[in-house]
Amino acid sequence: NAGVTQTPKFRILKIGQSMTLQCTQDMNHNYMYWYRQDPGMGLKLIYYSVGAGITDKGEVPNGYNVSRSTTEDFPLRLELAAPSQTSVYFCASSYSTETQYFGPGTRLLVL
Amino acid sequence: AQSVTQPDIHITVSEGASLELRCNYSYGATPYLFWYVQSPGQGLQLLLKYFSGDTLVQGIKGFEAEFKRSQSSFNLRKPSVHWSDAAEYFCALGGSNTGKLIFGQGTTLQVKP
Repeated sequence: NAGVTQTPKFRILKIGQSMTLQCTQDMNHNYMYWYRQDPGMGLKLIYYSVGAGITDKGEVPNGYNVSRSTTEDFPLRLELAAPSQTSVYFCASSYSTETQYFGPGTRLLVL
Repeated sequence: AQSVTQPDIHITVSEGASLELRCNYSYGATPYLFWYVQSPGQGLQLLLKYFSGDTLVQGIKGFEAEFKRSQSSFNLRKPSVHWSDAAEYFCALGGSNTGKLIFGQGTTLQVKP
């Protein structure tokens, strides 16, 4: 199993541009999550999904959108990039409401 | 309100010395508690978890943690630190039916030779 994979690894965006961060898991997990990590702040939950077709906001959803059309994929969309979205983004998945498995992260720089 | 606090932002220990990283939580019910480790430029790896039962839990890489309900704490320990343990450590709180985690701010561990 590849586990949780994320693409791209690194991206530079200009203010106002849009992009999609990809997340795929091959463990048949129902639950998937997007976090952002800022220095000294730990990880904050952006959006999560408890199954295909079901998504909900986390702690810091503004400026982001998600969809979950399949069990495997949980893309995160940034519509109008802002410097405040410069961060490292982690996707995670879990079989139940217990242990989450994390991807390697996407480092995003908005200039 | 649910929260996790890691009081120590940065800790330096000598190789071979013992280690204790502190974690305090606020939660109204029985919590699920986790410790994750993050090496530079990497994702998070689960060290150990507590859901119920024995309050002393063993994890990977020789780490253990003790759940103390009376102190709302879940401190991580290791008897003898290795240079490869240098990383950032996160305590996390779960327990909802959605599996959402609340993370502490993290503790950076530096190991002196």
